[in-house]
Amino acid sequence: DQQVKQNSPSLSVQEGRISILNCDYTNSMFDYFLWYKKYPAEGPTFLISISSIKDKNEDGRFTVFLNKSAKHLSLHIVPSQPGDSAVYFCAAELSNDYKLSFGAGTTVTVRA
Amino acid sequence: DTGVSQDPRHKITKRGQNVTFRCDPISEHNRLYWYRQTLGQGPEFLTYFQNEAQLEKSRLLSDRFSAERPKGSFSTLEIQRTEQGDSAMYLCASSLAVGGINEKLFFGSGTQLSVL
Repeated sequence: DQQVKQNSPSLSVQEGRISILNCDYTNSMFDYFLWYKKYPAEGPTFLISISSIKDKNEDGRFTVFLNKSAKHLSLHIVPSQPGDSAVYFCAAELSNDYKLSFGAGTTVTVRA
Repeated sequence: DTGVSQDPRHKITKRGQNVTFRCDPISEHNRLYWYRQTLGQGPEFLTYFQNEAQLEKSRLLSDRFSAERPKGSFSTLEIQRTEQGDSAMYLCASSLAVGGINEKLFFGSGTQLSVL
């Protein structure tokens, strides 16, 4: 069963504009959420995370928003740069747990 | 810190053969994970180790799969009698777990397995 869903397999955005990636989850017990970025032929790398006690976390050009009542989170990238072109995975976990549940990923292409 | 390294990067094998992959985690990390990723999907949890103890195996890990982490350092994942459905990217990750604090996973570049 897919507990974390990324319903948009791809996103194309012009350089300098905002990229918005969405993620939904079904398990209300999840209390920690992460975004990973993956380039071809490389493993996923950690990007940003958010605890369920917060509704927003910002790190430079990246901001993650969490809406617990809707079981929804989003990643905003502003401004988008060509180097942001990659696959982005949303992941969720339970505190004191040891495994992440990943979404299927969204491929972002930033056009020059 | 040289990161998580995996070997080999690519493996092509014939159905029915056995294969073994190796993962070297970041040296001070006490947790090691194996994930599997198929095309168009996110990574799926297979198993994890706390030091040398294997604490959980996913139901995805059939009896043909075995993982070890002797001495709590590197880990190996062996697949016996490979099947075409085993074709996937096998990702290793490690982390430093301190109490109940959520820790981020550091992934290796993976081993791409193709079973012909």
